[in-house]
Amino acid sequence: GAVVSQHPSRVICKSGTSVKIECRSLDFQATTMFWYRQFPKQSLMLMATSNEGSKATYEQGVEKDKFLINHASLTLSTLTVTSAHPEDSSFYICSARTGGNTDTQYFGPGTRLTVL
Amino acid sequence: AQKITQTQPGMFVQEKEAVTLDCTYDTSDPSYGLFWYKQPSSGEMIFLIYQGSYDQQNATEGRYSLNFQKARKSANLVISASQLGDSAMYFCAMREGRRTGGFKTIFGAGTRLFVKA
Repeated sequence: GAVVSQHPSRVICKSGTSVKIECRSLDFQATTMFWYRQFPKQSLMLMATSNEGSKATYEQGVEKDKFLINHASLTLSTLTVTSAHPEDSSFYICSARTGGNTDTQYFGPGTRLTVL
Repeated sequence: AQKITQTQPGMFVQEKEAVTLDCTYDTSDPSYGLFWYKQPSSGEMIFLIYQGSYDQQNATEGRYSLNFQKARKSANLVISASQLGDSAMYFCAMREGRRTGGFKTIFGAGTRLFVKA
């Protein structure tokens, strides 16, 4: 099946620094990628929809200047958490949509961000 | 408004028995898809099964089957012959069509399944 990778899998940073998370579709081109965050023992909350070559669409309540999304190619989307604070600590998961006849959504393994 | 509802925060099942995880949804879009995902402690989201709103038959994938009752807007997951490895968090999800949801997938709160030996 299709594979989506995320890098890094785990990151610990100091408050005030910026962290970039990469999401790659390894064996298919993804015109659309989605970014979710998940707090402990909670569900996945959609943050934004990332379309290749255009600006991301953010969900209500998500600060676009805080969570910068770049979808520069059909296989790569990046999420940058700018000036991270402890409350940004969470599990960030991306998913990529295959489109076409199957139009399936595959998830990356997630990135655990801890801000000290 | 809550669009995906999973009313069972936790469920216990004896190994080798069947278990049903409940999911109800709400949408005005005639075209939508329903998914179930498994999330073990590692955090990865594992796709289990998919049901399209226009599918006439209930979806089945191995030990997983989806009890799709369109009029009641329910999409319960049935796991047969439970195994210890089935212990995990299970999420029901819905993807609405372009008209209302823009192909976004939203998730329910999840049900934690515990399989007892």
